[in-house]
Amino acid sequence: DGGITQSPKYLFRKEGQNVTLSCEQNLNHDAMYWYRQDPGQGLRLIYYSQIVNDFQKGDIAEGYSVSREKKESFPLTVTSAQKNPTAFYLCASSVGVRNTEAFFGQGTRLTVV
Amino acid sequence: QKEVEQDPGPLSVPEGAIVSLNCTYSNSAFQYFMWYRQYSRKGPELLMYTYSSGNKEDGRFTAQVDKSSKYISLFIRDSQPSDSATYLCAINQFYFGTGTSLTVIP
Repeated sequence: DGGITQSPKYLFRKEGQNVTLSCEQNLNHDAMYWYRQDPGQGLRLIYYSQIVNDFQKGDIAEGYSVSREKKESFPLTVTSAQKNPTAFYLCASSVGVRNTEAFFGQGTRLTVV
Repeated sequence: QKEVEQDPGPLSVPEGAIVSLNCTYSNSAFQYFMWYRQYSRKGPELLMYTYSSGNKEDGRFTAQVDKSSKYISLFIRDSQPSDSATYLCAINQFYFGTGTSLTVIP
């Protein structure tokens, strides 16, 4: 079945540690996205990538990093510089950027302990 | 001003009611509008998308765009308890509303 897989579903991190969230898609989509969702704030764009080896900052990129070495994969690293990392993280992909609909993974809930 | 604004609700309706969910947006150049449904602790799933203005219907769901007033709407007819979820409007992949929580009471 085609789709987007995020792992793990739940993740706990100690303060000061970096952690990497996985996102894999087999939809052959060129564009991939990372969003953060907090209660009452909807989805906010962290980073997006239009093509392999290229990515752009979204509205809230500070404290996050990404890579796009393969078309299928777009991992997100939450660094220790992110001051409030506890949130629900969503990965998505689409055929292209703009004017196409996105398909989402099931999310990763990150909690800093 | 935020690019897209959405009334967060919550909205509670009896089964069978017609539901109207709405968003406003700021930039008249926007052309691609989407509605997503999100169940608790799950990823959003695409319900409908519309390009430019006008109506689009899919079963019990109708998406409407009024570019003159920069207003987008989702109507749900004959609402069911399974429609209970949070509904998010979106513009392109970059701007999302805060979501409206809907509960349909049997």
